[in-house]
Amino acid sequence: ETGVTQTPRHLVMGMTNKKSLKCEQHLGHNAMYWYKQSAKKPLELMFVYSLEERVENNSVPSRFSPECPNSSHLFLHLHTLQPEDSALYLCASSSTGQSRETQYFGPGTRLLVL
Amino acid sequence: KNEVEQSPQNLTAQEGEFITINCSYSVGISALHWLQQHPGGGIVSLFMLSSGKKKHGRLIATINIQEKHSSLHITASHPRDSAVYICAVSGAGSYQLTFGKGTKLSVIP
Repeated sequence: ETGVTQTPRHLVMGMTNKKSLKCEQHLGHNAMYWYKQSAKKPLELMFVYSLEERVENNSVPSRFSPECPNSSHLFLHLHTLQPEDSALYLCASSSTGQSRETQYFGPGTRLLVL
Repeated sequence: KNEVEQSPQNLTAQEGEFITINCSYSVGISALHWLQQHPGGGIVSLFMLSSGKKKHGRLIATINIQEKHSSLHITASHPRDSAVYICAVSGAGSYQLTFGKGTKLSVIP
């Protein structure tokens, strides 16, 4: 298994739909991250989990709801999204979540909201 | 909040050329990261450094803490080096990385 996997890789949804993004890491890490990458903008951190507890929530709208049931899995639940939420959503993991650690990224989910 | 600036935004080079990408930041950091993003989106971490210089194959990263500046060099560039190179910085005790907008590199044969 490759280090960090994400499913689905592509997702098209309407504004009234509910969907979930899944991330799984096979590296034995204890910290996991959700990032958003919009066109022409830098990567933005959305959420950080360390040992299954949310430790950072970067003023993300409540229509994005993260879940971390264990240290290997991370979900991002989506509901009533807006077209401006269309972006590449990247998951990453690192050993403990300290700032001086290498983060390992998944391939991303490209989301289009119609 | 740290401001991270990268230059140039876009860079086209001939195969074999020596390439330099620059990154500057505004506030002291605990570490600086260089990342590579290929078309399709996947991101790979190239280097993490807090002082001096690191080398991996044809890639060299340097950082000058006093000047708040880092450079990524690619020697003997190859078309497979074509990607977006992203600089990111982290502060002490923070989980958060602050990212630059990236430098899009195209190496033509």
